[in-house]
Amino acid sequence: DAGVIQSPRHEVTEMGQEVTLRCKPISGHNSLFWYRQTMMRGLELLIYFNNNVPIDDSGMPEDRFSAKMPNASFSTLKIQPSEPRDSAVYFCASFAGAEKLFFGSGTQLSVL
Amino acid sequence: GNSVTQMEGPVTLSEEAFLTINCTYTATGYPSLFWYVQYPGEGLQLLLKATKADDKGSNKGFEATYRKETTSFHLEKGSVQVSDSAVYFCALRNGNQFYFGTGTSLTVIP
Repeated sequence: DAGVIQSPRHEVTEMGQEVTLRCKPISGHNSLFWYRQTMMRGLELLIYFNNNVPIDDSGMPEDRFSAKMPNASFSTLKIQPSEPRDSAVYFCASFAGAEKLFFGSGTQLSVL
Repeated sequence: GNSVTQMEGPVTLSEEAFLTINCTYTATGYPSLFWYVQYPGEGLQLLLKATKADDKGSNKGFEATYRKETTSFHLEKGSVQVSDSAVYFCALRNGNQFYFGTGTSLTVIP
């Protein structure tokens, strides 16, 4: 299995632009998580899907952030418009109920 | 509620030194406990886990014991190596939700 696949690995954009981060979970995993990692705040849970349905989005910072999971094999996290304070590493992780959470390699986002 | 508190870093040790990274938790019910490790430029990966009280998780020379009475899951290694330099996260799972600590950066110098 290829593991959790995220794209792009790096994204540099200008303030005000739309940014879309993508995630392909491990096949058969029915839970998907989006996390944001910064030096100041550590690892923060943004949103959690179970069977493609958003269960908890209380960690989404504001309306500029949105996430979708149109099917079991794909999810997106969108920021529109982006701001410099959104610069962080964004991780996707998937889970099949067998204890272990699998992380992707992350997307390093820089908003100038 | 559910939360994890781990010791602040960064931690710098000489090779072959003893390592302890403290972790305490609060949880409803009976969580499973984990240590994840993040090497530079990579995602988090599971280091070890324990699913019930008094269980000891171990991997790559690292150990942690699930202590319900002190709500702790401290990470230990008897002799660290340069290759252990990474960020270590304590976490708990309650139902399908995972809660992570803020991470502790470890640097091991030769």
